[in-house]
Amino acid sequence: AQTVTQSQPEMSVQEAETVTLSCTYDTSESDYYLFWYKQPPSRQMILVIRQEAYKQQNATENRFSVNFQKAAKSFSLKISDSQLGDAAMYFCAYRRSGSEKLVFGKGTKLTVNP
Amino acid sequence: EAGVAQSPRYKIIEKRQSVAFWCNPISGHATLYWYQQILGQGPKLLIQFQNNGVVDDSQLPKDRFSAERLKGVDSTLKIQPAKLEDSAVYLCASSLEDGGPYEQYFGPGTRLTVT
Repeated sequence: AQTVTQSQPEMSVQEAETVTLSCTYDTSESDYYLFWYKQPPSRQMILVIRQEAYKQQNATENRFSVNFQKAAKSFSLKISDSQLGDAAMYFCAYRRSGSEKLVFGKGTKLTVNP
Repeated sequence: EAGVAQSPRYKIIEKRQSVAFWCNPISGHATLYWYQQILGQGPKLLIQFQNNGVVDDSQLPKDRFSAERLKGVDSTLKIQPAKLEDSAVYLCASSLEDGGPYEQYFGPGTRLTVT
């Protein structure tokens, strides 16, 4: 069974600084997708960034980028120029190609200090 | 475009009572999901519908949980009877199709407290 591990229950960063959230996963599949979701307090979960396993190039969305290391089964999220609105729970998730089932990690709570 | 709607937003019940949650997906989305998110954990898929048929309900506790999606649009999730460990946020999500690289859009969730 696929598992997703987020080893940092909480992280904090100063406004305008850079922070990296860690995620590792376990799978025997070769074709899959990886995601980072953001869940602000009392608000709905939204997709931040996605990575297809067959792509070697790391995905980037504005201030958000990933470091995808397929051999190491590592998928970290880097947030540059952190803003107060980035404060939220961040979940790493895995989905096998051909399936819609998302497997989530336990999440990392990010605090942004002014 | 309207997002995924869920109601109620909050519900408090006593153990052994029953409760139902409602979800209205984004218009045109064929696939609908119910997740359970226990405090301190990531969401766990309970059931997935493709139109009005069940695709995956392997993690649904079928002795007490039931779900239906009539006419392939709205869905209800029911718990009867509730247990203390059912306290969680129940998230509904929808996506365009099953099997494709389509994003899942989440609703705001229903926070259930069982006392």
